[in-house]
Amino acid sequence: GNSVTQMEGPVTLSEEAFLTINCTYTATGYPSLFWYVQYPGEGLQLLLKATKADDKGSNKGFEATYRKETTSFHLEKGSVQVSDSAVYFCALGTSGSRLTFGEGTQLTVNP
Amino acid sequence: DAGVIQSPRHEVTEMGQEVTLRCKPISGHDYLFWYRQTMMRGLELLIYFNNNVPIDDSGMPEDRFSAKMPNASFSTLKIQPSEPRDSAVYFCASSWGSGGGGDTQYFGPGTRLTVL
Repeated sequence: GNSVTQMEGPVTLSEEAFLTINCTYTATGYPSLFWYVQYPGEGLQLLLKATKADDKGSNKGFEATYRKETTSFHLEKGSVQVSDSAVYFCALGTSGSRLTFGEGTQLTVNP
Repeated sequence: DAGVIQSPRHEVTEMGQEVTLRCKPISGHDYLFWYRQTMMRGLELLIYFNNNVPIDDSGMPEDRFSAKMPNASFSTLKIQPSEPRDSAVYFCASSWGSGGGGDTQYFGPGTRLTVL
């Protein structure tokens, strides 16, 4: 079956620090991969996605590359801001199935 | 587009009462999902619909929970009778497609349910 394993949180960084949140997956078939973000008091929203191997998704300074050889989709940002404080979810979807989410990683960025 | 609309945003009720949560998906979306989020269990998929038909309800915790989608623009999640352990944030989401083709799910703001 499909599964997603995320780096455990919480993660606390200072503003302008480099961010990596690890995500690895197990899937049957050829999944699409996603990062969703949940800001305090809100629902999840799509941050970025990639639908095939070697694709790079990017948005708001965040990037993630679909690595089939390592079954990974790590989220990175070169310089985080206080406003990036949120919970980040890695997810995957395969044809005909619903999304499988990881456990979520809480990020706090201090000024 | 107004996005996914959920009501109420907050609900406080007493144990044993019936609770009904409502969702209006984005117009034109053919999939609708109900999730529950708690600190202990994280984000859980309860049930999802395709073209108003329930496809997978294996995440519904027990018979006290039921969900309906009478038409393409409305869905309900009902808990009867409610229990304190049902306290959580319930999210509704909708999408074109189930996820496999890179389909984006759009989440509502959630309903925070507290059962006393």
